[in-house]
Amino acid sequence: EPEVTQTPSHQVTQMGQEVILRCVPISNHLYFYWYRQILGQKVEFLVSFYNNEISEKSEIFDDQFSVERPDGSNFTLKIRSTKLEDSAMYFCASSAETGNQPQHFGDGTRLSIL
Amino acid sequence: SQQGEEDPQALSIQEGENATMNCSYKTSINNLQWYRQNSGRGLVHLILIRSNEREKHSGRLRVTLDTSKKSSSLLITASRAADTASYFCATGRAYSGAGSYQLTFGKGTKLSVIP
Repeated sequence: EPEVTQTPSHQVTQMGQEVILRCVPISNHLYFYWYRQILGQKVEFLVSFYNNEISEKSEIFDDQFSVERPDGSNFTLKIRSTKLEDSAMYFCASSAETGNQPQHFGDGTRLSIL
Repeated sequence: SQQGEEDPQALSIQEGENATMNCSYKTSINNLQWYRQNSGRGLVHLILIRSNEREKHSGRLRVTLDTSKKSSSLLITASRAADTASYFCATGRAYSGAGSYQLTFGKGTKLSVIP
C-alpha cells in the first residue's frame, strides 16, 4: 500500500541553525500538509500546500518556516533559525483530492534542538 | 475554542471486550476522522465520516457522528492486544476555497488491551 515517507527519522540541531525536514507524499496525491506534536501535547496543524502554493497556515507557521515542493515528488519543511521550542515530532501528510478525503501521515521526524 | 476532545483519557480493558471512545467538538465541521498512534510512531488513518453521515463501519470499527450534539464515538469490537495504542479524533474543516482541510486533533484516548 502506498505510504508517506519522511526523512530523517530523528534530527538533532543546535539552536539557531537551519533545518530541512523531507517528505515524499503518496504519488498521486495533490494536497500536502505539515503538522507537529510537541511531547505530551496535541497534534497541531502548521500548513497546507496545493498547486505549488500555501493554501492555509496556522499562527505557528511564522516567517521562520517555509515549505517547498522542489521536484514534483519531495515536499520539504524548512525552519530558518531553530529555537528550543521547535523541538517536536513533525508529521507530513497528504490527501488525494479535496480535503474531504483521508489525510495519510508519515511516521514523523523527531526534531531535537539543543 | 477547544476542538476534538476525547473521553476517556485512558481506557484499560480485557482482550475480547469492546472499547468505546468518545469525541466532542465545538465548531461546524466537514468531516471527522479517527486515527491510531502506536507509541513513537506516526498516525494511522482508521476511518473518515462526513458531516452528512451518521454511522460508518470498517471491520471491527464502528463510528457514529451526531452533528446536533457535536459528538462522535469510536467502537472497537472484540479487542485484541494489538489494538493497544492512542486513538485520536480529528475534525476536518475547510477555511479557504483551495480545497485543503485543516485537521484539528484532540489529546487522544490511550487504550490498553490486556491479553
